[in-house]
Amino acid sequence: AQSVAQPEDQVNVAEGNPLTVKCTYSVSGNPYLFWYVQYPNRGLQFLLKYITGDNLVKGSYGFEAEFNKSQTSFHLKKPSALVSDSALYFCAVSVSGNTPLVFGKGTRLSVIA
Amino acid sequence: DTAVSQTPKYLVTQMGNDKSIKCEQNLGHDTMYWYKQDSKKFLKIMFSYNNKELIINETVPNRFSPKSPDKAHLNLHINSLELGDSAVYFCASSQSPGRGRGYTFGSGTRLTVV
Repeated sequence: AQSVAQPEDQVNVAEGNPLTVKCTYSVSGNPYLFWYVQYPNRGLQFLLKYITGDNLVKGSYGFEAEFNKSQTSFHLKKPSALVSDSALYFCAVSVSGNTPLVFGKGTRLSVIA
Repeated sequence: DTAVSQTPKYLVTQMGNDKSIKCEQNLGHDTMYWYKQDSKKFLKIMFSYNNKELIINETVPNRFSPKSPDKAHLNLHINSLELGDSAVYFCASSQSPGRGRGYTFGSGTRLTVV
């Protein structure tokens, strides 16, 4: 079984400030973890993934995420938020890459100028 | 060049009708999926096909039937549409069964049943 929790429905941050979008996961096996972003009326776009290796992974648009096995977390971060980062963010998990992605419920990020 | 394309983008139809949504990918991926995104933006997998064979079929009413004529296409046919079927349906593809090396999503089909 696999599941993902995104505890925040909405995150508000001022432009230029650091942002964090939280994600925790539960799997029976090795987690393959992903972040996707969805802009209005668009499909999901891949941001970054963790499969193995360094716990800190860097992705598109200046985003990064840190894999923490002991806390079963994979929080998305960016040092300096842009208004254009405002969108819906989804965390997802697969078990060893052998199961379809299961998504969290999404977190709406709003960056205020 | 659109990697995963879905048609139509919008679909408005009456209860009881039968409709189809088409999906095509030009990435050479082996596996294709259908996801449903409800009004609360929750994404749930419906079906997964690998090389034209069904490998995942989540708890979805029998009114939904996927068809894969070849590995580049995965269509979704819905019989006897109900109000609760209103949602955005996303097609996606990846390189091999469940291999989470990044799914590529289509732009979605917004289905409204009236």
